[in-house]
Amino acid sequence: AQSVTQLDSQVPVFEEAPVELRCNYSSSVSVYLFWYVQYPNQGLQLLLKYLSGSTLVKGINGFEAEFNKSQTSFHLRKPSVHISDTAEYFCAVRYTGTASKLTFGTGTRLQVTL
Amino acid sequence: DTEVTQTPKHLVMGMTNKKSLKCEQHMGHRAMYWYKQKAKKPPELMFVYSYEKLSINESVPSRFSPECPNSSLLNLHLHALQPEDSALYLCASSQDLGLAHEQFFGPGTRLTVL
Repeated sequence: AQSVTQLDSQVPVFEEAPVELRCNYSSSVSVYLFWYVQYPNQGLQLLLKYLSGSTLVKGINGFEAEFNKSQTSFHLRKPSVHISDTAEYFCAVRYTGTASKLTFGTGTRLQVTL
Repeated sequence: DTEVTQTPKHLVMGMTNKKSLKCEQHMGHRAMYWYKQKAKKPPELMFVYSYEKLSINESVPSRFSPECPNSSLLNLHLHALQPEDSALYLCASSQDLGLAHEQFFGPGTRLTVL
């Protein structure tokens, strides 16, 4: 079965420090990759997506992610985080042949402190 | 308008009640989704509608009954729920079922079943 792994359930980081949130997916011929953010008591908001082309994808709020086909990874990065980035981050994958299903990772809680 | 709206924001119901959740979008999207999200977990897909027809039912119990009266509106009718059905119910929409099309999420309805 297709799967998405977010190994870090929580990532504590100080404000203005860099952060990387890891995401690995099970190997497939073709995938479409997404990162969503969920602030407390809210729905999910798309940060960025990889469909094809350049492996470095830039998103909103200063986030970027790099698609690495050989490592089957799509890690999310931000060079300098803010308190307001504290939220739950979900990596999601759409595999070809799975209709419209988004397969979500288990989420990573980013906790930014002063 | 890139918004998905959901009403009500909060709902408390007894196990014998009948209630409905409502979702609306005016982006011209032809695919709409219901997800269930338990605390500290990723969203779980329940139903998918494409062009107002039910496309996917993820083996959801019949006490949940979806309805798509038109292309902008999606309802979830609830009857005889169990306490374990308490969760955040998220609605989403996308242009269609194309794999590259991102899903836009609403803020959710927080449901508590007593």
